Amino acid sequence: NAGVTQTPKFQVLKTGQSMTLQCAQDMNHNSMYWYRQDPGMGLRLIYYSASEGTTDKGEVPNGYNVSRLNKREFSLRLESAAPSQTSVYFCASSTRLAWETQYFGPGTRLLVL
Amino acid sequence: AQSVTQLGSHVSVSEGALVLLRCNYSSSVPPYLFWYVQYPNQGLQLLLKYTSAATLVKGINGFEAEFKKSETSFHLTKPSAHMSDAAEYFCAVKRGSNFGNEKLTFGTGTRLTIIP
Repeated sequence: NAGVTQTPKFQVLKTGQSMTLQCAQDMNHNSMYWYRQDPGMGLRLIYYSASEGTTDKGEVPNGYNVSRLNKREFSLRLESAAPSQTSVYFCASSTRLAWETQYFGPGTRLLVL
Repeated sequence: AQSVTQLGSHVSVSEGALVLLRCNYSSSVPPYLFWYVQYPNQGLQLLLKYTSAATLVKGINGFEAEFKKSETSFHLTKPSAHMSDAAEYFCAVKRGSNFGNEKLTFGTGTRLTIIP
């Protein structure tokens, strides 16, 4: 039982390049989330998927797209990376019940030059 | 809309001393409240959560938190700090409903340093 896995662990991009961050969970969770973490700002929600086949914007969606490929996988795409997207990205998953815990992946560190 | 405020972005305590990390929330409906811990270069893991069952909640590693509705607070405490407690701690709130689209709102975090 690996929990939530993310790839890659670290990536360096040049401004304007694109990339996809991958996330997978093996806990049979319905809901999945993408957050970014910046110093002094806590975690901010980028996009989430309450269930397979649905996605919704979070607090900071601009410059990102997501795909809920199936129940296990939820990817985050940067179409044209900008230095402001330098951050640590976390994927999380949970059941749909409000009191249930969100389980987090180990994170992807992204540096955009 | 719900939000959380964590007072103090950095807290330092001596090993063996009391740990107190403050969290105040605002929510239009009774909330669910969470404390997460992040060790260096790792993801977040749950310390404890309040889901309206008991106001005093015990978590892992000797931490506990008390939900005080009158003060809109959910402060995290540990009687005796250990070097391994050095980490960043996040308070988070979620509106208490089960429509399947409720989202966690995180505070800005408190970095805890333990002084030997």
